[in-house]
Amino acid sequence: EAQVTQNPRYLITVTGKKLTVTCSQNMNHEYMSWYRQDPGLGLRQIYYSMNVEVTDKGDVPEGYKVSRKEKRNFPLILESPSPNQTSLYFCASSSSGRAISYNEQFFGPGTRLTVL
Amino acid sequence: GQNIDQPTEMTATEGAIVQINCTYQTSGFNGLFWYQQHAGEAPTFLSYNVLDGLEEKGRFSSFLSRSKGYSYLLLKELQMKDSASYLCAVRSLSGGYNKLIFGAGTRLAVHP
Repeated sequence: EAQVTQNPRYLITVTGKKLTVTCSQNMNHEYMSWYRQDPGLGLRQIYYSMNVEVTDKGDVPEGYKVSRKEKRNFPLILESPSPNQTSLYFCASSSSGRAISYNEQFFGPGTRLTVL
Repeated sequence: GQNIDQPTEMTATEGAIVQINCTYQTSGFNGLFWYQQHAGEAPTFLSYNVLDGLEEKGRFSSFLSRSKGYSYLLLKELQMKDSASYLCAVRSLSGGYNKLIFGAGTRLAVHP
């Protein structure tokens, strides 16, 4: 089954304790992205990756890191989490970030993170 | 700048028709998507418009006017399971890269 998976689905942690949220897709997609979703603000892009070893900042990158060593995986790293990073996080992928035709993004199930 | 506006909340009755509007201001317009998102779940794709006009897909239709920066999602024969948030997202092409910009979403409540 074609899908985007994220782990963990739920996480409660404390300020300053490094954590990683994994994201994996099995559709051979080139493009992957991380979003956070907060009430009243919609989905905001944190980082994106056009392909292996190619990553760039989105709209709200502060406090986050990413890597893209393999095509299928795109982990999100919080080196020193703070309470303002409490949010619902979604990983997404699409076949290409450059396509000019129809090219929907597929979303993972989400990770609800609480930083105390 | 880039901006997407849609109503925060709407209510409707089971069996009725509802129209959710979306207005946008963006450079490099390269398509508009509508996603459905049930509470706590991932957004799922509903429709895509890149040319002006109406796209119909079963009970759901989406309309686009590029000159007006306007789109709507039309839901017919509403069912209770249609209670969800509906996200308008504009794809913007900049520097050879497609970026998806989301509105805050419209929370639709369908009542019996």
